[in-house]
Amino acid sequence: ETGVTQSPTHLIKTRGQQVTLRCSSQSGHNTVSWYQQALGQGPQFIFQYYREEENGRGNFPPRFSGLQFPNYSSELNVNALELDDSALYLCASSLSRGQEKLFFGSGTQLSVL
Amino acid sequence: GDSVTQMEGPVTLSEEAFLTINCTYTATGYPSLFWYVQYPGEGLQLLLKATKADDKGSNKGFEATYRKETTSFHLEKGSVQVSDSAVYFCALSDPTGANSKLTFGKGITLSVRP
Repeated sequence: ETGVTQSPTHLIKTRGQQVTLRCSSQSGHNTVSWYQQALGQGPQFIFQYYREEENGRGNFPPRFSGLQFPNYSSELNVNALELDDSALYLCASSLSRGQEKLFFGSGTQLSVL
Repeated sequence: GDSVTQMEGPVTLSEEAFLTINCTYTATGYPSLFWYVQYPGEGLQLLLKATKADDKGSNKGFEATYRKETTSFHLEKGSVQVSDSAVYFCALSDPTGANSKLTFGKGITLSVRP
């Protein structure tokens, strides 16, 4: 079975721009979660998607938005980038929304200049 | 809100030394508790979990016991190896079970020297 894959692996943007990060979930998984991991910190929950609907959101502003597609792949969109958005963005998939075992991708390293 | 506190790092040990990494938590309800490990350049991997009080999770020689009375989930290993060098995160699940949200601690870097 294929694991969780994220693209791109690295990205450099300037303040005010918009960015889209992509995630392909593990085969058979219908739930995707996104996390932001700042340098030296633990991952922080952004939101989760279950069967194309948002199913829980962390303490992030509305300029962080997402999508989940019928094949359960997902996108994270961030508008009006700020310097503090520089972080590793992790995608995790699970068999279903209440499942506690998450499978993480290697992440996208976003740098905002 | 829910939170996880890990001991300050980094930790450097010699091979075959005993490892303890402290983790305490604050949560409403009864979350499950986890240890995740992040090797350089890789995503997080589940190391072990415990779902209720007094449960012991174990994997690859690592152990942690869910202590409700002390709200702790300390990670231990009797004899570390160089290959255990990584960042270790303690985490708890959403106690409501509504979603798969995890709340993580800051993580601690473990370096094991030969």
